Amino acid sequence: DTGVSQDPRHKITKRGQNVTFRCDPISEHNRLYWYRQTLGQGPEFLTYFQNEAQLEKSRLLSDRFSAERPKGSFSTLEIQRTEQGDSAMYLCASSLGREVDYGYTFGSGTRLTVV
Amino acid sequence: LAKTTQPISMDSYEGQEVNITCSHNNIATNDYITWYQQFPSQGPRFIIQGYKTKVTNEVASLFIPADRKSSTLSLPRVSLSDTAVYYCLVDWDSGYALNFGKGTSLLVTP
Repeated sequence: DTGVSQDPRHKITKRGQNVTFRCDPISEHNRLYWYRQTLGQGPEFLTYFQNEAQLEKSRLLSDRFSAERPKGSFSTLEIQRTEQGDSAMYLCASSLGREVDYGYTFGSGTRLTVV
Repeated sequence: LAKTTQPISMDSYEGQEVNITCSHNNIATNDYITWYQQFPSQGPRFIIQGYKTKVTNEVASLFIPADRKSSTLSLPRVSLSDTAVYYCLVDWDSGYALNFGKGTSLLVTP
């Protein structure tokens, strides 16, 4: 297993366009998390899944953000009608269970630039 | 929700021991203390976790006093490759970390 994979690594898009990021977690991990990180700040929680169920989504930044994990394996994060303020690193992490019990394994992130 | 306070930055020379202290005055009984390391353009990486007293692994030690209102990450004999941001996390009621805070940016120089 090569760890958590995120694709693409970098994305430049024009304001108003939709973007979708993909995350492939470690195969046996049933929990998958999305975080956003802006320059000089630590990661900020967005949402998480246990298998295919999205158990927490109230912290998605706006209704332009949505995430799916259709078969409990890979996940996608979509941002519709992107704004310049969406420019950030989007990080995916996975774990066997609760972070406190198993810890996170993070991917290298997708850096989004909205121009 | 236990808020953490860490120094924004620290400097060290190669070969020295580095101690980064994190304050978490409102830590809850069930909370654990976890430290992550992050290099530029990478996601954070788990370093160490503890509940009380002292925990040691091959990378670091974590010292937690009896009142658990603070914790200290100790990195023995740092090298240039230890230059990174270090995050202290303690809010686990929900089973996930809401916010990593700003962390401590450690710079190791020759």
